[in-house]
Amino acid sequence: SQQGEEDPQALSIQEGENATMNCSYKTSINNLQWYRQNSGRGLVHLILIRSNEREKHSGRLRVTLDTSKKSSSLLITASRAADTASYFCATPSGTYKYIFGTGTRLKVLA
Amino acid sequence: DAGVTQSPTHLIKTRGQQVTLRCSPKSGHDTVSWYQQALGQGPQFIFQYYEEEERQRGNFPDRFSGHQFPNYSSELNVNALLLGDSALYLCASSWGGSTETQYFGPGTRLLVL
Repeated sequence: SQQGEEDPQALSIQEGENATMNCSYKTSINNLQWYRQNSGRGLVHLILIRSNEREKHSGRLRVTLDTSKKSSSLLITASRAADTASYFCATPSGTYKYIFGTGTRLKVLA
Repeated sequence: DAGVTQSPTHLIKTRGQQVTLRCSPKSGHDTVSWYQQALGQGPQFIFQYYEEEERQRGNFPDRFSGHQFPNYSSELNVNALLLGDSALYLCASSWGGSTETQYFGPGTRLLVL
């Protein structure tokens, strides 16, 4: 079963615009991660945010976490064509396992 | 510093056959997790190996088995292949048994005919 669900499923924007994608989850968590996947290849870890953090930045990425609403958002500012990828949130399930959502497919048009 | 490597990159099998996929973790990593990713879906956790033991298993049948070697590399074996086993198989490594930051390999794309 999927713990995290990303929204929207697909997003198409112009280069230079901001892209926002959301993740909702069902059970209490102590952290949440975002990953990027280019063209069906391996995933790249972008950022981890802990349950006691509300916001975290990494370069052009901004992640928020609202534990009361069981949701997180990933904002990519000033998007580039190279940001075209699928983005997944992942939440812990048990001690060692992470459950990934179905992803948001982002297309940045040059 | 080599990242996570997987072999082979692509594989075609027929139903009922058996397949072995291989993964070498990133240098310094000792924990390996395997995921199955069907087309258009997110990765699904198969199992994790740490200190040569399977620590946790996802919702996959016993046809899926694995092994971790003393050098921390790992194999994923799938017996009695079904058409539905066609997917991208991803290996991820991490350090010290933690999975908070995993490094993924490029994957092995398996097609079952």
